Amino acid sequence: DVKVTQSSRYLVKRTGEKVFLECVQDMDHENMFWYRQDPGLGLRLIYFSYDVKMKEKGDIPEGYSVSREKKERFSLILESASTNQTSMYLCASSPGPIYGYTFGSGTRLTVV
Amino acid sequence: GQSLEQPSEVTAVEGAIVQINCTYQTSGFYGLSWYQQHDGGAPTFLSYNALDGLEETGRFSSFLSRSDSYGYLLLQELQMKDSASYFCAVGVDSSYKLIFGSGTRLLVRP
Repeated sequence: DVKVTQSSRYLVKRTGEKVFLECVQDMDHENMFWYRQDPGLGLRLIYFSYDVKMKEKGDIPEGYSVSREKKERFSLILESASTNQTSMYLCASSPGPIYGYTFGSGTRLTVV
Repeated sequence: GQSLEQPSEVTAVEGAIVQINCTYQTSGFYGLSWYQQHDGGAPTFLSYNALDGLEETGRFSSFLSRSDSYGYLLLQELQMKDSASYFCAVGVDSSYKLIFGSGTRLLVRP
């Protein structure tokens, strides 16, 4: 069964901390994505990557960066966590639109 | 800007048929997708429409009209387990990134 694995299900961090969210996929997909999900706002794209070491900004990249050193791993970095980054973070990968995205189970991040 | 509009909530009875609409205004169009998300779970892919018309997958069907910038998800023979949130999503360029609607919460009553 194909999988996207996010390293943590729940995370609590302090304001100002640097936070790393890890995502690993075992499907050899080239395209990987990071979204955040907030009530009433749906899923909003933070960053995506279409190849190793390649990245592009999504709709809300401010305060975030990403790293893709290997095809299977796509990391989201919160440079200095703030309370408004408290959210559910979802990683996804895809080989193409007709196959859809496969999402990880999400990381619920709370910044205090 | 880009926007997708879908109803925030829909209620239906077990065994009935329900339609969830989605209208979009985007800079480009590379297909309309639908995702299902149960509470506490990850979104799962349901369907993809690139061309006008109806696509059927079991109890679920999805429709697209590109000229109207409109699509819908049709769920037949509703079951309690269909209670979930449903998101439409549009590809806006060739990069495979998706813009999601804010979701429709479907409640199926006995």
